[in-house]
Amino acid sequence: RKEVEQDPGPFNVPEGATVAFNCTYSNSASQSFFWYRQDCRKEPKLLMSVYSSGNEDGRFTAQLNRASQYISLLIRDSKLSDSATYLCVVNLAGTYKYIFGTGTRLKVLA
Amino acid sequence: NAGVTQTPKFQVLKTGQSMTLQCAQDMNHEYMSWYRQDPGMGLRLIHYSVGAGITDQGEVPNGYNVSRSTTEDFPLRLLSAAPSQTSVYFCASSYRVNRALTEKLFFGSGTQLSVL
Repeated sequence: RKEVEQDPGPFNVPEGATVAFNCTYSNSASQSFFWYRQDCRKEPKLLMSVYSSGNEDGRFTAQLNRASQYISLLIRDSKLSDSATYLCVVNLAGTYKYIFGTGTRLKVLA
Repeated sequence: NAGVTQTPKFQVLKTGQSMTLQCAQDMNHEYMSWYRQDPGMGLRLIHYSVGAGITDQGEVPNGYNVSRSTTEDFPLRLLSAAPSQTSVYFCASSYRVNRALTEKLFFGSGTQLSVL
């Protein structure tokens, strides 16, 4: 079983739709959680960190469920420009160990 | 406001050639690392460093060397390039917020390497 698992997609959604991705992790020592966005062959860019109480940034909402060991990303009112791959990244407490999911591909259709 | 700077952006090598991918960061980050990304494989850690003079192997270290003589620089050397090393390479850095918490990874813009 992979340490961090994501549905690879692609998720094809119409403009304006709401879409949600989940990411499950297996190591209970996981401390920090991040969602990155990656466009084709470009560097991953931080979309948002995920906090225990959940957090929102405009159309994006991230949540953490420590009991079930997953994080989620919700995108509301999808734009064409949201089309990208979304990477889930988990960091283990007190370490520099970052574990990457393989990413979920999103296509927003006109 | 440079952040993490990687050079070159593109490189084509012939099998057996050697080259160095450069990575520099100006944020005084303790941690630096190199990843490769292949289609369908996600990001895989090649080598990393937690400070000047300290390096260690990641998941896929074979065929690559690194050194960390300064806090700022972390070059990746391919000693004898092979077609299997055709990939996109990313350098990334980070730092500790406190003893228990590490910050996000800051990525360079990547190097697309083709080995013929």
